[in-house]
Amino acid sequence: DQQVKQNSPSLSVQEGRISILNCDYTNSMFDYFLWYKKYPAEGPTFLISISSIKDKNEDGRFTVFLNKSAKHLSLHIVPSQPGDSAVYFCAASRPNDMRFGAGTRLTVKP
Amino acid sequence: NAGVTQTPKFQVLKTGQSMTLQCAQDMNHNSMYWYRQDPGMGLRLIYYSASEGTTDKGEVPNGYNVSRLNKREFSLRLESAAPSQTSVYFCASSGRGSGNTIYFGEGSWLTVV
Repeated sequence: DQQVKQNSPSLSVQEGRISILNCDYTNSMFDYFLWYKKYPAEGPTFLISISSIKDKNEDGRFTVFLNKSAKHLSLHIVPSQPGDSAVYFCAASRPNDMRFGAGTRLTVKP
Repeated sequence: NAGVTQTPKFQVLKTGQSMTLQCAQDMNHNSMYWYRQDPGMGLRLIYYSASEGTTDKGEVPNGYNVSRLNKREFSLRLESAAPSQTSVYFCASSGRGSGNTIYFGEGSWLTVV
């Protein structure tokens, strides 16, 4: 069963605009949520996270929003840059259990 | 800053052959993980080790074995490789107080023919 879902396999945006990547989860026991970024032929790298006790966390151009009642989180990138083009994985975790979504490929066009 | 190092980076196996993927981390992390990545499936947990001397099954453990050799090293073994095990394998680690953030190696591309 896929407990973390990213329903958009790909997203294309213009440079300078906002990118919004979405993620849904099913298990209410998850208490920490993360976004990872992956370039081809490299391992995923940590981008930003949010605890279940918060609804927003911001780090520079990246903001993660959490809606616990809807079991939904999103990653906003603004302004988007060509270097942001990568696959983004959403993850939900509890102790010793981290589940990932299938990923969304973001393409930022110059 | 090596972080998480895994070897080999590429490997081609014949069906039925065995091999071991090696992983080491230099961040003094307690927990280590093995994931596989397949198209459209995201990252799926194969096995994890919460601390030295312990290992537990993840989502997709069948066909694999692991060894937590010491705090630094966590190996993944395929005893009899099958084409369904063609995938990209990632080792990862995390420590206490890191907010559950895990850090990944660069990946090992395995093809079973």
